[in-house]
Amino acid sequence: IAGITQAPTSQILAAGRRMTLRCTQDMRHNAMYWYRQDLGLGLRLIHYSNTAGTTGKGEVPDGYSVSRANTDDFPLTLASAVPSQTSVYFCASRMGHSEGETQYFGPGTRLLVL
Amino acid sequence: GQNIDQPTEMTATEGAIVQINCTYQTSGFNGLFWYQQHAGEAPTFLSYNVLDGLEEKGRFSSFLSRSKGYSYLLLKELQMKDSASYLCAVRDSNYQLIWGAGTKLIIKP
Repeated sequence: IAGITQAPTSQILAAGRRMTLRCTQDMRHNAMYWYRQDLGLGLRLIHYSNTAGTTGKGEVPDGYSVSRANTDDFPLTLASAVPSQTSVYFCASRMGHSEGETQYFGPGTRLLVL
Repeated sequence: GQNIDQPTEMTATEGAIVQINCTYQTSGFNGLFWYQQHAGEAPTFLSYNVLDGLEEKGRFSSFLSRSKGYSYLLLKELQMKDSASYLCAVRDSNYQLIWGAGTKLIIKP
């Protein structure tokens, strides 16, 4: 693995189903993020984790949950999917809190909820 | 509230210069980032500004004026591969990135 991987690449999901989007990074980055990207809107932060064992809510956390059991993995769970959760989901990571540090993005998961 | 504004779409000619503007109003300021995003792909980092002035990196330059809440990305010698969306993002007082909706740049031969 090099960088950040996400799985699945795309998914069609029936409303009401539970779904976990996976994100793994091998850069030993401390901070990880989940965003959703919708047409005409900027990336919106769903949840974040500044370090393993801690998580926080972003701008649009409702309907989503996350866990950070170790440094590498940061799964995002939709407990009961709804059509408004149709979006492209990006996972990102960053080493820490040094000024100028950039976020690196995974390839994204395209989710369609019917 | 927090707000970042950038034009929705711009068109330019191959070989020319284009300037993409970004204005922001955020709770705190800890730097401004520009990312490039090709259609169907993930955003990739282009530039970072935290002090006023111009940062140059090859064909791309980024300018910041903190007093005006304003930045621009300047792309020179445009190439067809520069056709992409350009995202402006500000890191706020909580060290989270607030993102603009992006500017879709169309390059014509």
